[in-house]
Amino acid sequence: EPEVTQTPSHQVTQMGQEVILRCVPISNHLYFYWYRQILGQKVEFLVSFYNNEISEKSEIFDDQFSVERPDGSNFTLKIRSTKLEDSAMYFCASSERRSTDTQYFGPGTRLTVL
Amino acid sequence: AQSVTQPDIHITVSEGASLELRCNYSYGATPYLFWYVQSPGQGLQLLLKYFSGDTLVQGIKGFEAEFKRSQSSFNLRKPSVHWSDAAEYFCAVRSYNNNDMRFGAGTRLTVKP
Repeated sequence: EPEVTQTPSHQVTQMGQEVILRCVPISNHLYFYWYRQILGQKVEFLVSFYNNEISEKSEIFDDQFSVERPDGSNFTLKIRSTKLEDSAMYFCASSERRSTDTQYFGPGTRLTVL
Repeated sequence: AQSVTQPDIHITVSEGASLELRCNYSYGATPYLFWYVQSPGQGLQLLLKYFSGDTLVQGIKGFEAEFKRSQSSFNLRKPSVHWSDAAEYFCAVRSYNNNDMRFGAGTRLTVKP
């Protein structure tokens, strides 16, 4: 069964450094998403992406975040200058169509900012 | 704004007992409703979803959920819990015209032998 994959599974970085989290969505899916889950808190929507542009973003997704689909398979989340409060589990998801289709989630990348 | 409340942070049931996890949502129109399960160290796996039609939906692993518009609820049920069901369960809601999925805080399920 096709699945969303994410790398790395755990990333440790120093505050102020840039990180790139990578995702490979399910191959025939057209919509891609990033969510985050701070330890002990809710899963929160960050951004959705379609046709090489952001379709929606939350108030969390500020200028330090960016997303990109650099090739036909990868979908990345970049955090330009990490802060301590960026430490969280980051989930990538994809869906086939926008309206009624389910979002399928990857296993997540745990980001630890020291 | 749409939101989801899961009133129970932690539930413990005995193996073989029935289970009901509560979910209440706040949304003006008919929402799209989901239940996801997260095992330790794993991603979110979809258990079931409701978009329209029959208000009792069947999911994987023997789970079902019932949409009750009058109560703004979408409770998850399983008649007989297995030890492997121990996990965190998340209810989520989104509207038909955007992709911003709102999650509840989650309910952690512990299964006693």
